[in-house]
Amino acid sequence: QKEVEQDPGPLSVPEGAIVSLNCTYSNSAFQYFMWYRQYSRKGPELLMYTYSSGNKEDGRFTAQVDKSSKYISLFIRDSQPSDSATYLCAMNSNTNAGKSTFGDGTTLTVKP
Amino acid sequence: DADVTQTPRNRITKTGKRIMLECSQTKGHDRMYWYRQDPGLGLRLIYYSFDVKDINKGEISDGYSVSRQAQAKFSLSLESAIPNQTALYFCATSDLQGSGSNEQFFGPGTRLTVL
Repeated sequence: QKEVEQDPGPLSVPEGAIVSLNCTYSNSAFQYFMWYRQYSRKGPELLMYTYSSGNKEDGRFTAQVDKSSKYISLFIRDSQPSDSATYLCAMNSNTNAGKSTFGDGTTLTVKP
Repeated sequence: DADVTQTPRNRITKTGKRIMLECSQTKGHDRMYWYRQDPGLGLRLIYYSFDVKDINKGEISDGYSVSRQAQAKFSLSLESAIPNQTALYFCATSDLQGSGSNEQFFGPGTRLTVL
């Protein structure tokens, strides 16, 4: 079983919809939870990160971490066609020597 | 100019050939990584390096080797390419002094096809 499991998708929604992207994990040592966005034919870029449990909001994006359930989510409000991309969750602990563990990614398409 | 560059961007080669993929960065980061990305399999770590004298195997290092020529340069070699090494390869960097999130900065990728 993988340390990080991500809902595989693909996901297709109409413009303006609320999108929920999710990952579960098994390693209780994970403390940092990241979301990367990868456009087609590009490398991933960090979208946002959260330390430990709780919520973090950045514009239309909200990252949510529930360490008790080992579950993280990324919510996108008022989704736009420009949000169409693959979203990868990633996690690391304080002691994992600078290595992040990535989910497999969820491909999102937002249709105008 | 891009902070993390990869050459070549695309490469088609034949089984058994030796291939080198190169990565350069201008971010001044100590940590560098090589990943491969396959459809449905996400990013898998091949090798990583935390400084010029530090090289570590990742989860799928068999069939690959690396060289850290300088802080800014990290090369990946396939000694004898095989078709199942056909994939998208990414180089990434991160800052040892950065936050614990280990934010990684990725290059544009190299699409390698082994026939």
